[in-house]
Amino acid sequence: GAGVSQSPRYKVAKRGQDVALRCDPISGHVSLFWYQQALGQGPEFLTYFQNEAQLDKSGLPSDRFFAERPEGSVSTLKIQRTQQEDSAVYLCASSLGTSVNNEQFFGPGTRLTVL
Amino acid sequence: LAKTTQPISMDSYEGQEVNITCSHNNIATNDYITWYQQFPSQGPRFIIQGYKTKVTNEVASLFIPADRKSSTLSLPRVSLSDTAVYYCLVGDGYQTGANNLFFGTGTRLTVIP
Repeated sequence: GAGVSQSPRYKVAKRGQDVALRCDPISGHVSLFWYQQALGQGPEFLTYFQNEAQLDKSGLPSDRFFAERPEGSVSTLKIQRTQQEDSAVYLCASSLGTSVNNEQFFGPGTRLTVL
Repeated sequence: LAKTTQPISMDSYEGQEVNITCSHNNIATNDYITWYQQFPSQGPRFIIQGYKTKVTNEVASLFIPADRKSSTLSLPRVSLSDTAVYYCLVGDGYQTGANNLFFGTGTRLTVIP
């Protein structure tokens, strides 16, 4: 079956541009996570959805970051007025249940480069 | 939030058993221990999870002592394809809607031919 997919795989943006990153989770998965991974570092949590509800957005680094999952499936992470420090790989993961310890299935990530 | 400490890197020859130890001194009663593997240009992949004693699956074993302040991921007879970063995480299995998974920097395992 299909895993988690993300698009685009690579995105180059000029500083100040807005970007939108898409995540298609595994069908039927209730939970959806976004992570940011800088080069040489582990993934860092950004936000968490349970169905369409955004239950935790404590990891979003600034108000330029916004995420949504309006119908409880596909999710979009939007970054407004991108800055060079936003350059990273953005990972999306989904899991079947609502416990944080349920196995998370990760997508391949979107590598964002801000020039 | 229970954080973890792992060696930054390890090298091993093909065919050897590799043991990666993770320290989690502040682990809470309800926390589980989970290990993920990440290859370059891919997202992490779940390997194994445990709460206490020993857990074994088709790819690895996880050893957890009685005090649960550390855990050891054991990879039997590694091959070149096991070269990856391995993350040890602890989290509360009863919380929902929480972000209490801390990946840290992981352990970069390099398998040498």
